[in-house]
Amino acid sequence: GAGVSQSPSNKVTEKGKDVELRCDPISGHTALYWYRQSLGQGLEFLIYFQGNSAPDKSGLPSDRFSAERTGGSVSTLTIQRTQQEDSAVYLCASSLSGASLSTDTQYFGPGTRLTVL
Amino acid sequence: AQKITQTQPGMFVQEKEAVTLDCTYDTSDPSYGLFWYKQPSSGEMIFLIYQGSYDQQNATEGRYSLNFQKARKSANLVISASQLGDSAMYFCAMRDLNAGNMLTFGGGTRLMVKP
Repeated sequence: GAGVSQSPSNKVTEKGKDVELRCDPISGHTALYWYRQSLGQGLEFLIYFQGNSAPDKSGLPSDRFSAERTGGSVSTLTIQRTQQEDSAVYLCASSLSGASLSTDTQYFGPGTRLTVL
Repeated sequence: AQKITQTQPGMFVQEKEAVTLDCTYDTSDPSYGLFWYKQPSSGEMIFLIYQGSYDQQNATEGRYSLNFQKARKSANLVISASQLGDSAMYFCAMRDLNAGNMLTFGGGTRLMVKP
């Protein structure tokens, strides 16, 4: 079946502009995760959604970052007033349940490469 | 707090030979999961293999096997019969449910397979 999809694949924006990144998880997966991959910081967790529960926002670096998940499926990560340090690859992953199972494997999308000029 | 360490930033291996990529971790939780992902130049993270902290046997998946030494807190990935297509970044990651559902990643190892 189809894997995790993300759009756009590349986004170039100017400092101060807002951007929206989209993630479409694997059908039937109830857990959705956003990560950021940058040269200086490696792979960092941003936010996690599980079903209808309140999201775990503990990894969001500032209040300029927000995310929502509509209808338990598609998710949008929004970065307001972008800064140059926001330049990174933003990866989305989904898993079957995200519940108390160490075996719940996360499958990743191809990522969105964000460049802030 | 959990921590994942990959001490080899880059490695070369001759095609058809085996290679071991090191990973050590630190957690105080007895229940955790260890994962290895491959990231080719295309950028997508590809799941390779999983090892649970209570698993009695080392995980294997085709040419991939995990050398799990719980007492030493190491979970090294072994790739047998390396192929040119194995050239990529490899990330070790851990999921410790007491710390949330997210994965914590190591810094990665770049593997280059020589023909």
